[in-house]
Parts: sequence; structure tokens; C-alpha cells
Amino acid sequence: AQSVTQLDSQVPVFEEAPVELRCNYSSSVSVYLFWYVQYPNQGLQLLLKYLSGSTLVKGINGFEAEFNKSQTSFHLRKPSVHISDTAEYFCAVSESGNTPLVFGKGTRLSVIA
Amino acid sequence: GAVVSQHPSRVICKSGTSVKIECRSLDFQATTMFWYRQFPKQSLMLMATSNEGSKATYEQGVEKDKFLINHASLTLSTLTVTSAHPEDSSFYICSARGTSGGGTDTQYFGPGTRLTVL
Repeated sequence: AQSVTQLDSQVPVFEEAPVELRCNYSSSVSVYLFWYVQYPNQGLQLLLKYLSGSTLVKGINGFEAEFNKSQTSFHLRKPSVHISDTAEYFCAVSESGNTPLVFGKGTRLSVIA
Repeated sequence: GAVVSQHPSRVICKSGTSVKIECRSLDFQATTMFWYRQFPKQSLMLMATSNEGSKATYEQGVEKDKFLINHASLTLSTLTVTSAHPEDSSFYICSARGTSGGGTDTQYFGPGTRLTVL
């Protein structure tokens, strides 16, 4: 069975500072990895995804993530955050094929002016 | 990118009534749709997976007779909460995974439906 761990439930950071949101997963097979962002009372928006190939994945809004197979991690980073980045961020994993996503518990990013 | 809509965005109903939520893929054909439930400040919990033309597969602990799912076409799935009670109040989110044109490896999420049962 797959599982996703987001170690930080809340991450406060000052505007224009860098941020890293951590995600670790466990799976016995190859996986697809995703980061989604959720703004209040809205659905989830895909930030980026890793399916195969280059381990450094660039997404929307200046975010990027790096797949590290040996550490089973897929941490999300942004070099300089904005107030508008304040939201809930979810890491998710699925096996190759038609399996559902398994989500982490989410990390609340709060950007402080 | 692929767009998924949900209707209604917000619904308030009396206890004992039934509520239907629609999920539509607007610009791609969704062979598989998923229904999730999200409680305040918590992650998404998968309720069921539906493939077009087939019966939905429910996750353990989800009552199939209470949460009726229909996936009658490649662009529409519905979730009906039957005889809703206050404990069914939650944020319901659907997602869709498409054919090759829409991306078979990525789920696209609807904006969610806030259900409040009085």
C-alpha cells in the first residue's frame, strides 16, 4: 500500500523568502508524484507532476520539486514566495496505471508580509 | 489545461432530503472519475472510483446505498447523497482522469461542492 507523509502541517514564511514543503512517500512499485494547491473553499489545482525522466520538475507559479528515489522524497520548493502563495498544499502519489491518488495530510503555507 | 466543473458549488438542505452533485469534464473525455470528501482542515479522502458505464467502486467504510454514483457518459458523473444528515455536511470534490487527449496520468479536480445539512 502507498502512503504519503507531509511532515509539516503548517509553514509560516516571510514574503520573498524561500520555502520548502516536504513530502515523503512509501510504495513498493514505481509511482507518479504530484503537488496540488488548494485555495480556501476551492478545489485542487495541479502545481506539477513527476511521471518519469528528469528528477527536477518545474511547475506553475514558480514552484519546482525534485524527485529523490533513494530518499523517497518529492519536496516542493520556491525561491521567493508571495502573499498570494498562502494556501494549502497537498502531495499525492499514484501507481502507474488507473489507480486513485493517495494524498498527504497537507501543509498550510502562510506567507507573512 | 483540462477543466472540470461541479454544480452546485454550495447547497444547504434539510435533514432527510437527497442532494445531487454533478461533475463534468468540459474539454476532455473522462474515462474515470473520482469522488472525494474533505472535512475542515483535513486531507481529501477518496470515497469512490467510477468508470464510465460501470458500477462505482467504493472505498471501505463508504456506504454505497447512501452515496449513489452514476457515470453515465464520458463527461458527466453524479453523486447523490440520499437521506442526508448533519454528519454528511462536508466539502465534496470530484476529479476526472481522461483519455489520452486529456492526460491519462493526471487527475483534474473540480472546484468542490460545500454541502450543509441542517
